Amino acid sequence: KAGVTQTPRYLIKTRGQQVTLSCSPISGHRSVSWYQQTPGQGLQFLFEYFSETQRNKGNFPGRFSGRQFSNSRSEMNVSTLELGDSALYLCASSSQGESVETQYFGPGTRLLVL
Amino acid sequence: QQPVQSPQAVILREGEDAVINCSSSKALYSVHWYRQKHGEAPVFLMILLKGGEQKGHDKISASFNEKKQQSSLYLTASQLSYSGTYFCGTVTGGGNKLTFGTGTQLKVEL
Repeated sequence: KAGVTQTPRYLIKTRGQQVTLSCSPISGHRSVSWYQQTPGQGLQFLFEYFSETQRNKGNFPGRFSGRQFSNSRSEMNVSTLELGDSALYLCASSSQGESVETQYFGPGTRLLVL
Repeated sequence: QQPVQSPQAVILREGEDAVINCSSSKALYSVHWYRQKHGEAPVFLMILLKGGEQKGHDKISASFNEKKQQSSLYLTASQLSYSGTYFCGTVTGGGNKLTFGTGTQLKVEL
């Protein structure tokens, strides 16, 4: 089975712009979670989608949003980019999104905001 | 609340053992352990569920003390390939939202 894929792998944007990141989960997985990783804050949960519905949300401003499509692929969007949004954005998929399931991470999208 | 990991960093000689601890202030549904090498995605190691079980594969094992809301990761006879940052991720409510600890940097030297 193919693993979790994320595109693009690298992005450079300037402050004020917006960006859309894409995540394709492992085939058959219906839950997709997004995480932000920075040296200062570590790995932080953004949100989780299951069957096209946002089921969990972390403590991030409304500039961060996401959606999930019927094929379980997910996108996240960051509007009005700030310098502090520079980070590695990771998505993870699991079968049903339950607490006892393993989450498998994709390679991440590294975003640099100038 | 972010789980607390200790130690923050450890250097080992090849063949030595290490223990990494993860403590939560909230009741835990499950604890997930990952290893991340520089520039790569976190790789799943194991998941511990409520019940105080111990799991392991090869020379890496983990325990889960539900009463103390703690988990420990045990690395025995360390190999160079064990180097990386180890994260525990805890699930404290319904669903699968992982709250990660601050990480433990482990370096294995010859």
